[in-house]
Amino acid sequence: AQSVTQLDSHVSVSEGTPVLLRCNYSSSYSPSLFWYVQHPNKGLQLLLKYTSAATLVKGINGFEAEFKKSETSFHLTKPSAHMSDAAEYFCVVSEGYSSASKIIFGSGTRLSIRP
Amino acid sequence: DTAVSQTPKYLVTQMGNDKSIKCEQNLGHDTMYWYKQDSKKFLKIMFSYNNKELIINETVPNRFSPKSPDKAHLNLHINSLELGDSAVYFCASSQVGRSDTQYFGPGTRLTVL
Repeated sequence: AQSVTQLDSHVSVSEGTPVLLRCNYSSSYSPSLFWYVQHPNKGLQLLLKYTSAATLVKGINGFEAEFKKSETSFHLTKPSAHMSDAAEYFCVVSEGYSSASKIIFGSGTRLSIRP
Repeated sequence: DTAVSQTPKYLVTQMGNDKSIKCEQNLGHDTMYWYKQDSKKFLKIMFSYNNKELIINETVPNRFSPKSPDKAHLNLHINSLELGDSAVYFCASSQVGRSDTQYFGPGTRLTVL
């Protein structure tokens, strides 16, 4: 069975400092992993995805994530936070490439940016 | 050029009523989904349709009935609304075989009074 755990429900950083949002997963197969961002009162937008190609994945808005199989982690990072990064972030795991693929969302991490 | 659209954006109704939420995607995808996001931001899949066929039906009360008239539309009908149905409902679509990237609609905030 697959699952995904976002280790922090809330992360607060100062503008211009690095961001680290942690995600651990469990999966019986080779999973696809995603990070989505949700700004207040908006839908979800794909930040980046891992699908068994390069383990370091670059996404939009300067975010990147590294797939570490040995640690079953897929942490999201950004070198320098911007005020516009304040949002809810979801780590997602998916197994398989069929329409019946199970898709599991993490519980979300709220990122706050201090001026 | 909205990829996935939902109507209405806000829905306020009384307990016991029946309501529908509509979803349309213009991406040519063959799979569509409904998710429920509760007040704690937790997202849970409710249904998945592929080519108008129900594929995933999670543990959802049978008061919720999805309907897919064609590949581009997946509507959600809710009978006998209850207070606990208050949430934000998101529609999404994807193309099977393209690494499962899902494209989400803007959400429908349902409030049951």
